Amino acid sequence: ETGVTQSPTHLIKTRGQQVTLRCSSQSGHNTVSWYQQALGQGPQFIFQYYREEENGRGNFPPRFSGLQFPNYSSELNVNALELDDSALYLCASSSQGSHTGELFFGEGSRLTVL
Amino acid sequence: AQSVTQLDSQVPVFEEAPVELRCNYSSSVSVYLFWYVQYPNQGLQLLLKYLSGSTLVKSINGFEAEFNKSQTSFHLRKPSVHISDTAEYFCAVSDLRSYNTDKLIFGTGTRLQVFP
Repeated sequence: ETGVTQSPTHLIKTRGQQVTLRCSSQSGHNTVSWYQQALGQGPQFIFQYYREEENGRGNFPPRFSGLQFPNYSSELNVNALELDDSALYLCASSSQGSHTGELFFGEGSRLTVL
Repeated sequence: AQSVTQLDSQVPVFEEAPVELRCNYSSSVSVYLFWYVQYPNQGLQLLLKYLSGSTLVKSINGFEAEFNKSQTSFHLRKPSVHISDTAEYFCAVSDLRSYNTDKLIFGTGTRLQVFP
């Protein structure tokens, strides 16, 4: 069984730039959620994708956007990067309909904005 | 709105000693409750969960947590910790109204440091 994989693991950008983070969901999972974990904080829900559509969104501005592909993999895009966007971005997959809240997390992509 | 409070940011403890990591939540509706663990340079892993039924839930590695509705708490305990338990522990809640999403509200985490 293949777990959740994320790429890249680390990256550095400058303010105003755009970034794309990628996630492959665990085998058999059809739902992907993205979380932002700032240093010293708990993860915060960005949004969730199911059947290639956004299915729930947290308190994040529109410059945070995403995609889900037919193979259930997903991208997180952030435009006009700000210093406060520096964080660990976690992808989690699950099976829609389980309603158990059990998420399977990847190891994250650490973004540094200078 | 829901919230999760983990009162202790760090808990230092010696090996084989008991430990309790505290978690309180605030919600106007019924919730699911979770503890996730994050080892250094890794993603989060589910440790245990309360969905319904018995209020005492246990993990395979000796941790347990008890749902106390009147106290709105879900404290995590282990009677004897190991060095390998050193990690960040996050308490989380899921609103049962968020039926079609897996939106979890996390606390700020508790760093458990086990010393030999």
